[in-house]
Amino acid sequence: AQTVTQSQPEMSVQEAETVTLSCTYDTSENNYYLFWYKQPPSRQMILVIRQEAYKQQNATENRFSVNFQKAAKSFSLKISDSQLGDTAMYFCAFILPLTQGGSEKLVFGKGTKLTVNP
Amino acid sequence: EAGVTQSPTHLIKTRGQQATLRCSPISGHTSVYWYQQALGLGLQFLLWYDEGEERNRGNFPPRFSGRQFPNYSSELNVNALELEDSALYLCASRFHPGSYNEQFFGPGTRLTVL
Repeated sequence: AQTVTQSQPEMSVQEAETVTLSCTYDTSENNYYLFWYKQPPSRQMILVIRQEAYKQQNATENRFSVNFQKAAKSFSLKISDSQLGDTAMYFCAFILPLTQGGSEKLVFGKGTKLTVNP
Repeated sequence: EAGVTQSPTHLIKTRGQQATLRCSPISGHTSVYWYQQALGLGLQFLLWYDEGEERNRGNFPPRFSGRQFPNYSSELNVNALELEDSALYLCASRFHPGSYNEQFFGPGTRLTVL
């Protein structure tokens, strides 16, 4: 069974600084997808960034980028130039799609609560 | 384009009662997923519906059930409510299972069991 571990329950960062959230996962499969989701206090879950395991290049979305280390099964999220609106719970998630013999369910880590301070 | 909607926003029930939660996916999405977000337990996969059929379920007892209607909206039913069922229930929809695309989440229904 796949598992996702986020070892930092809480983190804080000053506005405009950079912060990195850690995520490790466990799977014996080779092709899968990884995501970072953001859940602000208003609770709507929003996709931040995604990574296909077969792509070596790290995904980037504006101020958000990942460091994907497939051999180490590590998938960290870097937020540059942190903004107050980045304050939220961040969830790392894994999915093994049907096309890869998976079950189509997202497996989530327990989340990291990020606070951006002014 | 409207996002995933869920109703009600909040639901308060007592032990032993039944709860019904509803979800409307994004137009054109055929797959609906249900997740439970309980305090201290994180997000747990509950059910997946596609084209009107249950495709997969998580490690939850049979009193958690649901269905998907012809318009792809979905209902989650929880029978014989227990205190530990108190949680935020999130619904997500997806366009094509098996191909690469994200699950879009709704705002959730907060279920409180007294």
